[in-house]
Amino acid sequence: EVQLVESGGGLVQPGRSLKLSCAASGFTFSNYYMAWVRQAPKKGLEWVATISTSGSRTYYPDSVKGRFTISRDNAKSSLYLQMNSLKSEDTATYYCARQPYWYFDFWGPGTMVTVSS
Amino acid sequence: DIVMTQGALPNPVPSGESASITCQSSKSLLHSNGKTYLNWYLQRPGQSPQLLIYWMSTRASGVSDRFSGSGSGTDFTLKISSVEAEDVGVYYCQQFLEYPYTFGAGTKLELK
Repeated sequence: EVQLVESGGGLVQPGRSLKLSCAASGFTFSNYYMAWVRQAPKKGLEWVATISTSGSRTYYPDSVKGRFTISRDNAKSSLYLQMNSLKSEDTATYYCARQPYWYFDFWGPGTMVTVSS
Repeated sequence: DIVMTQGALPNPVPSGESASITCQSSKSLLHSNGKTYLNWYLQRPGQSPQLLIYWMSTRASGVSDRFSGSGSGTDFTLKISSVEAEDVGVYYCQQFLEYPYTFGAGTKLELK
């Protein structure tokens, strides 16, 4: 059974950093692109980052480019999101998702990040 | 960026009736390989999104055949035949043609 479990969320002050993790199991992690998608409270979905199978290629929307870094450790079947210079508009639930190239087919339960002073 | 625009549903939808959700993209999602990179997801209350349809009309594994996707390069429809209680939630369309991947704002389905 495919499982994705995020961790690392919490309350952080504006301008500070936070690192999210996603533990994957039930599939060969190294064979899949992976992604982060977020959802602000009572709002819709926003794609945040994607990483290739080896980690050599990463992709971001302009809203987080230069502040967020996606990475992975295939030996540990783990995905990460380093978030720097956090802003109040980054407040959201962050989902880890498996990405077999053209869609997100499995999602984790999410971890909540609140950016507030 | 490709803008995805979703239509609203005349809520609530009577149980057993069909419902159609529309989605429009600001650019054709038809790839040169013949596939259309439009996906549909359902987010039930309090849950994570789940994939329903990919490539505009291919049902994801385990998804009921009451769900069907159709459309052209820029105009898409998700049809739910015989709506049931488990179909309640917010439906999102998403384009996967190019970065940044973008979602529609969501369409809420409520049951009567």
